[in-house]
Amino acid sequence: ELKVEQNPLFLSMQEGKNYTIYCNYSTTSDRLYWYRQDPGKSLESLFVLLSNGAVKQEGRLMASLDTKARLSTLHITAAVHDLSATYFCAVDRKETSGSRLTFGEGTQLTVNP
Amino acid sequence: EAGVTQFPSHSVIEKGQTVTLRCDPISGHDNLYWYRRVMGKEIKFLLHFVKESKQDESGMPNNRFLAERTGGTYSTLKVQPAELEDSGVYFCASSQGYGRAKYEQYFGPGTRLTVT
Repeated sequence: ELKVEQNPLFLSMQEGKNYTIYCNYSTTSDRLYWYRQDPGKSLESLFVLLSNGAVKQEGRLMASLDTKARLSTLHITAAVHDLSATYFCAVDRKETSGSRLTFGEGTQLTVNP
Repeated sequence: EAGVTQFPSHSVIEKGQTVTLRCDPISGHDNLYWYRRVMGKEIKFLLHFVKESKQDESGMPNNRFLAERTGGTYSTLKVQPAELEDSGVYFCASSQGYGRAKYEQYFGPGTRLTVT
């Protein structure tokens, strides 16, 4: 059974600081996703990582993937209040008819002024 | 292009009652998924439709849950009778189908179900 673990689950940080969220998964997967969710809103796709060593950056967020270690990181640089949200990582496997996502528990990020 | 929509956004029902959640996927998306998040835990897969057919319903918790996708368009998820442990947020997602860049799932805002 594919399992995904995120840590930390809760993160409170000051504006301007850097931090990293970690996502470990238990077995081989094909794709790794990072989503952001604001309260009451949809899950917004941030990054899709497809291969070992993949690194993607968007603004103050950078995601990387190490398939050998089964680890992805989401690095936050110089946090701002607008980044406060819940961040989920998820993995899936290619199947013949689409794919089901397996999610971590989510990291609730609060950025304080 | 309209995104995935879900109705209602919130539902509060008593234990033993019936509730039906609706999901309208993005037009043209063959794949439709239901997930739920209970008690702030991880988001868990419930089932997957390809057009009107149930491709994978291994995540459905028990036979009190019934999902349908008539005509391969919108989907409903009925809980009957509802129990306290069914409380949570139910998400729907859709994707185009196979092939590069067509697998990505787009999520609706969720329905928050509270069973009292």
